Amino acid sequence: QQPVQSPQAVILREGEDAVINCSSSKALYSVHWYRQKHGEAPVFLMILLKGGEQKGHEKISASFNEKKQQSSLYLTASQLSYSGTYFCGTEKSYNTDKLIFGTGTRLQVFP
Amino acid sequence: SAVISQKPSRDICQRGTSLTIQCQVDSQVTMMFWYRQQPGQSLTLIATANQGSEATYESGFVIDKFPISRPNLTFSTLTVSNMSPEDSSIYLCSGQMTAAGTDTQYFGPGTRLTVL
Repeated sequence: QQPVQSPQAVILREGEDAVINCSSSKALYSVHWYRQKHGEAPVFLMILLKGGEQKGHEKISASFNEKKQQSSLYLTASQLSYSGTYFCGTEKSYNTDKLIFGTGTRLQVFP
Repeated sequence: SAVISQKPSRDICQRGTSLTIQCQVDSQVTMMFWYRQQPGQSLTLIATANQGSEATYESGFVIDKFPISRPNLTFSTLTVSNMSPEDSSIYLCSGQMTAAGTDTQYFGPGTRLTVL
C-alpha cells in the first residue's frame, strides 16, 4: 500500500537534472511532494491533482499519470539546496486528508 | 504557510515511563496528524487528532499506547505510554492548511525520542 519511489538514491553535480518517480498500487487522487533535510521537518513542495493540475513550487515541476498510478518529480538545473530526501504522499483513500508517504529518495547535490 | 513547533525537541527516557509531546500551530487548523519516523525511513501515520472528538488511529496503533489530546484548533499532544526501546523514533506532528489553493500538510520539526 505504501507508494514505491525510485531511484532510492541519486548523486548529482550542480546544474544536472534528476527525475524521481512515485508509483502506487492503488488509484491516485492527488500526489503531494515533500523534501526533508537531515534533522529537519519535511517541507511541502507541490501538489498534483487528478486531471493534471499542478500547484506549488516555481522551479520544480512534476507529472501525474492516473492510468499508470504514478507521479514523477523533475528537478532541473539542480542546486546545492536541493539536497535532501524526497517523499511523495498519496491520499489513503478518496477524499481523505490522510496521506501515505512513499519509500523516499535521497538526493545529494555536489558542487 | 504555518509555523509548527514541538516540545521537547529530543528526550532520553527510561523503559516503562511515559512522555508527552506537545505540538503548537501558529494559526487555527482543522486537521492535525501525528507521525512516527525511524531515522532514514519514511513517515508512518499514527493517528488523526480531531478537535472536539476522539483521535482516530491507524492500524497498529492504539489509544492506550498513544493517547492524544486536541483541546483547541492550534494545539495537540501525543503521549507515548509505557515506553520500550522499540518506541525510540522521531515523532512529528502536522497541521493541514490551504496552500496554493488546495489542502496540504505542514510539519513540525519533530521530537527525537530515545528509550533506554
